[in-house]
Amino acid sequence: DTAVSQTPKYLVTQMGNDKSIKCEQNLGHDTMYWYKQDSKKFLKIMFSYNNKELIINETVPNRFSPKSPDKAHLNLHINSLELGDSAVYFCASSLRTGLSYEQYFGPGTRLTVT
Amino acid sequence: RKEVEQDPGPFNVPEGATVAFNCTYSNSASQSFFWYRQDCRKEPKLLMSVYSSGNEDGRFTAQLNRASQYISLLIRDSKLSDSATYLCVVNKAHGAGSYQLTFGKGTKLSVIP
Repeated sequence: DTAVSQTPKYLVTQMGNDKSIKCEQNLGHDTMYWYKQDSKKFLKIMFSYNNKELIINETVPNRFSPKSPDKAHLNLHINSLELGDSAVYFCASSLRTGLSYEQYFGPGTRLTVT
Repeated sequence: RKEVEQDPGPFNVPEGATVAFNCTYSNSASQSFFWYRQDCRKEPKLLMSVYSSGNEDGRFTAQLNRASQYISLLIRDSKLSDSATYLCVVNKAHGAGSYQLTFGKGTKLSVIP
């Protein structure tokens, strides 16, 4: 059973296109996250949702819009894709956003913008 | 100064060796600390939490020095399967009741037969 799943696993698209990445978790967690890992392997938080409410919104271009239809899903829509958006995007979830709550990561979506 | 700094390596060690990774963090308000492991082209996974008193899990020992804002991970009797990137992770308060993980860039370990 997959705990945190993401689709698609690979996404190759051209500059200027709009694309979405979907994330689902079946762990019963109430907090979900999007991270970006760039070519230098630096993993950085983009957004966090707790019970469908946005609680963390780091300095991310407003071309990126997360949507959480329910606690088990957090999707990421990206408008007007740019070359610099090429990266691996990881979804994660945890039980509450607490001090010691482990975050479980999805397998990642490797986005390549050409 | 970066929030979480690690030596990127790579560390190339023979099987059976002991290897130590260091990490420093800049925010003295950070409240909890972890080591995550990331295999090549895979997602990060929690290896262990780090407590002030130091803690051990089998061949892995983690230490925290709050005064120096320093975290370490020691791996004894290295196995080939330990080859991965080890991420130092710090948790800090982000706002009312919420917390945020900040990841270091990771230290790459290759265990050689």
